[in-house]
Amino acid sequence: DAGITQSPRHKVTETGTPVTLRCHQTENHRYMYWYRQDPGHGLRLIHYSYGVKDTDKGEVSDGYSVSRSKTEDFLLTLESATSSQTSVYFCAISETGLAGTNEQFFGPGTRLTVL
Amino acid sequence: GEDVEQSLFLSVREGDSSVINCTYTDSSSTYLYWYKQEPGAGLQLLTYIFSNMDMKQDQRLTVLLNKKDKHLSLRIADTQTGDSAIYFCAESIRGADGLTFGKGTHLIIQP
Repeated sequence: DAGITQSPRHKVTETGTPVTLRCHQTENHRYMYWYRQDPGHGLRLIHYSYGVKDTDKGEVSDGYSVSRSKTEDFLLTLESATSSQTSVYFCAISETGLAGTNEQFFGPGTRLTVL
Repeated sequence: GEDVEQSLFLSVREGDSSVINCTYTDSSSTYLYWYKQEPGAGLQLLTYIFSNMDMKQDQRLTVLLNKKDKHLSLRIADTQTGDSAIYFCAESIRGADGLTFGKGTHLIIQP
């Protein structure tokens, strides 16, 4: 298994509070991604990073920000959590080579509940 | 726009073959992927196929791609109880951009 950890694994918080989720990798892969998984929607891309300090928005980026100050860490922040952000959050990593395969390897997920 | 469609459920008998289908709309897809998710776990990459191929086989798994119809399938031979999971089809359009996933197919194994 790819060396990807996510913390915390579970979190319950209240509406309006800030929340930061962490993704840590030991594979030295260049690309990192945050997805959310909701019933009836599959996985949807929130933000991604193609290098230290280089990030871009995904399909559902509103209400989320990210930071990547080191290759191994990618942080997802909910500045003011809302109930619609209750979800399971997955981090993924990729080292897209010249062939451009973009095989992504996923972490175990963080279950976030916003009350 | 990008859209990936899958049936929500598939029920098969243990020992039979399972065929999970997927359709996509973006003709510029470069790679297509199959992931497996067991309850409470992350997604596990099973296999992928390049868009200029029409078939790929890996042990019990066979991927078929019909690019003209934008149809992808995953066949699991000799389905076992351990194959019970949600299977996601996903496409990649550009390099290292994020993947676009289908909603997943729940594979149910009957004894």
